[in-house]
Amino acid sequence: SQTIHQWPATLVQPVGSPLSLECTVEGTSNPNLYWYRQAAGRGLQLLFYSVGIGQISSEVPQNLSASRPQDRQFILSSKKLLLSDSGFYLCAWSGPAGATGELFFGEGSRLTVL
Amino acid sequence: SQQGEEDPQALSIQEGENATMNCSYKTSINNLQWYRQNSGRGLVHLILIRSNEREKHSGRLRVTLDTSKKSSSLLITASRAADTASYFCATDVGFQKLVFGTGTRLLVSP
Repeated sequence: SQTIHQWPATLVQPVGSPLSLECTVEGTSNPNLYWYRQAAGRGLQLLFYSVGIGQISSEVPQNLSASRPQDRQFILSSKKLLLSDSGFYLCAWSGPAGATGELFFGEGSRLTVL
Repeated sequence: SQQGEEDPQALSIQEGENATMNCSYKTSINNLQWYRQNSGRGLVHLILIRSNEREKHSGRLRVTLDTSKKSSSLLITASRAADTASYFCATDVGFQKLVFGTGTRLLVSP
């Protein structure tokens, strides 16, 4: 069966510090991978998605970046965090093109920037 | 930007009652999906309805889709306290992307 792991679960960082959130998927090949952010009490904002190694599409221009160094690994990074980067970050995967499009989510990483 | 808008934003009912949530969206879609999120957790997929379908059932869930009105509804019958969660609609707009709505917070009291 497929599983998705996301870490760290909770992170408190000072403004201006770097960020690295990691997500890995097991039990499937060539998944589509996604990073979403959820502000408190709000819906989900799509940040990045990837359909293959090294292929990253950005939805929201900002000081965050994403990388996919391996087929089932997706990393969200920032060189210098802003207060507005606080939120609940969710990684998700779906089957490749032609699949149903259902997303499978990780348990999320709660980031607080102070 | 948000594609979907759920209505109501919050809903409070008693156990055994039915809960209805609505979703409106703006652009053409391939399919529409509903997800559930328990507080502080990841989202869980509930049901998918394709653009050429009008109604779909899964257990106590019933979803309708009206593409002419760009709207969908989720009905949970005979609600239980364990159904307490936030519910989101998400539209498949193509290009491997799902765009989520703002969510409905459902509280089911025993």
